[in-house]
Amino acid sequence: SQTIHQWPATLVQPVGSPLSLECTVEGTSNPNLYWYRQAAGRGLQLLFYSVGIGQISSEVPQNLSASRPQDRQFILSSKKLLLSDSGFYLCAWSDPAGGNTIYFGEGSWLTVV
Amino acid sequence: GNSVTQMEGPVTLSEEAFLTINCTYTATGYPSLFWYVQYPGEGLQLLLKATKADDKGSNKGFEATYRKETTSFHLEKGSVQVSDSAVYFCALSDLNSGGSNYKLTFGKGTLLTVNP
Repeated sequence: SQTIHQWPATLVQPVGSPLSLECTVEGTSNPNLYWYRQAAGRGLQLLFYSVGIGQISSEVPQNLSASRPQDRQFILSSKKLLLSDSGFYLCAWSDPAGGNTIYFGEGSWLTVV
Repeated sequence: GNSVTQMEGPVTLSEEAFLTINCTYTATGYPSLFWYVQYPGEGLQLLLKATKADDKGSNKGFEATYRKETTSFHLEKGSVQVSDSAVYFCALSDLNSGGSNYKLTFGKGTLLTVNP
């Protein structure tokens, strides 16, 4: 069966520091991968998606970037965090051959102080 | 563009009460519709889905029917439990502009609290 893991689960970072959140998917090949953000009291916003290695699409302009160095690895990064980057970040995947259901990881809580 | 509107929360019910969380959508084409649940401190779990008009998705006593004529996908459960306390998200899925993958558009979520 397929599993998705992301880490770290929780982190507190000072303003201006870098960020790296990692996500891996097991049990499938060539998944579509996604990063969503859930700000406090708000819904979910799609940040990035990827349909293959090195292929990244950004949905909204922001202080973040994403990379996909391997087929089942998706990384969310920032060079300098802002207070407004605080939130709950969710990695997700879907099977491009298996329809339109998207499955989520456990999430990472980021607090920028 | 696509959008999902779900009832504002929070919703507070007593155990064994009937639950309805309204969800309506705007979309071009024929999207699939989903309900996701988020328990405190966790990621989102797929609760149920429906892929075409008049389909009924069901799971764990929850159900929702895809109503194309009213563009709705209301979530219902006949008798809620304390363990159902969570945030519920309605979402629709369609192909992105490039046509290479699906993306979800979410409602803002509804917090449900069930008291014993």
